[in-house]
Amino acid sequence: EAQVTQNPRYLITVTGKKLTVTCSQNMNHEYMSWYRQDPGLGLRQIYYSMNVEVTDKGDVPEGYKVSRKEKRNFPLILESPSPNQTSLYFCASSLLGEKEPQHFGDGTRLSIL
Amino acid sequence: AQSVTQLDSQVPVFEEAPVELRCNYSSSVSVYLFWYVQYPNQGLQLLLKYLSGSTLVKGINGFEAEFNKSQTSFHLRKPSVHISDTAEYFCAVSGLGGGYNKLIFGAGTRLAVHP
Repeated sequence: EAQVTQNPRYLITVTGKKLTVTCSQNMNHEYMSWYRQDPGLGLRQIYYSMNVEVTDKGDVPEGYKVSRKEKRNFPLILESPSPNQTSLYFCASSLLGEKEPQHFGDGTRLSIL
Repeated sequence: AQSVTQLDSQVPVFEEAPVELRCNYSSSVSVYLFWYVQYPNQGLQLLLKYLSGSTLVKGINGFEAEFNKSQTSFHLRKPSVHISDTAEYFCAVSGLGGGYNKLIFGAGTRLAVHP
């Protein structure tokens, strides 16, 4: 089954404790992206990657890091999480091209205390 | 700045009634338009997309949308809703610049279908 898998689905942690949210896709997609969803703001892009070792900032990259060492994986790293990063996070993937619809994971709800 | 506006944050409707969820975007160039649905505790699922051609696009679950270039709108409609359509709906646009594949989302419309 074609899917984007995120882990964990839920996480409660404390300020400053490094965490990683994993994302993996099995569709051989070149493009992967991370979004955060906040009430009244829709989804905003954090980082994206067009292929292995090619990553770039989205609209809200501050406080986040990513890496793309393998085509299927695109982890999101919070080196020193803060309460304003409490949010619902989605990973998405697609083929390259603006016409291509993106496939989304089920989301990761992060609470930073 | 490029933007996508969903004009209603919440839309309550009774079962079997018609519904329209409104979406407008700001752009002077050709764009590609998408509607996604998010059911509780799930990710976003593609409902339909407009890439080119006929301005009336049909999607899954009986939804359709009409692209209006002069009004820069892409409103989503369903003639008769079911309780199971209760979800949040997002309009999204690509082709507005800022990077390949970049999607810009509206703030979402929460559709609540009541019996």
